[in-house]
Amino acid sequence: RKEVEQDPGPFNVPEGATVAFNCTYSNSASQSFFWYRQDCRKEPKLLMSVYSSGNEDGRFTAQLNRASQYISLLIRDSKLSDSATYLCVVIRNTGGFKTIFGAGTRLFVKA
Amino acid sequence: EAGVVQSPRYKIIEKKQPVAFWCNPISGHNTLYWYRQNLGQGPELLIRYENEEAVDDSQLPKDRFSAERLKGVDSTLKIQPAELGDSAVYLCASSLAPNTEAFFGQGTRLTVV
Repeated sequence: RKEVEQDPGPFNVPEGATVAFNCTYSNSASQSFFWYRQDCRKEPKLLMSVYSSGNEDGRFTAQLNRASQYISLLIRDSKLSDSATYLCVVIRNTGGFKTIFGAGTRLFVKA
Repeated sequence: EAGVVQSPRYKIIEKKQPVAFWCNPISGHNTLYWYRQNLGQGPELLIRYENEEAVDDSQLPKDRFSAERLKGVDSTLKIQPAELGDSAVYLCASSLAPNTEAFFGQGTRLTVV
């Protein structure tokens, strides 16, 4: 079992839909969490950090559930331009920091 | 402000040949990472530097891979000799600290034939 797991998808949704992704992590020493977006043949780019209190940036909302060890990303009113792979990133501190990426969830938004 | 700069963008080499990648991190970022990404996978860490010190190279295949970060700024990653299975995208990233968000370069797409 991988330390950070994501549903690979793909998620196929129509424009305007709301879509949610989950990411689970197994190490309780995980302390920092992020969502990155990666377009085809491009580098990953930071989408948003995930705070314990949750955070929102426009149509995007990220939440952290430490008890169940997962983070989530909600995209409202999906746009065609949201089509990408969304990578979950976890940083743990177990005698040193370690950054671990999930394999990503692919999203296709259709007209 | 300039982002992370990598070169070359693409490289095609024959197996058993050497290859080197270069990375210039964001100014002021002490932490530098080299990742390898295969198609359909997330980036996998090869090595992490804090300034000029390699603090995590547990995933680096040391028989053929080497890296350096002289003066704690630019870094190079070398493969010698390259194997067919080394074909991947090699990403460099940097961050202010090891527990903060990282910023990626455009990557080097390596094809070994």
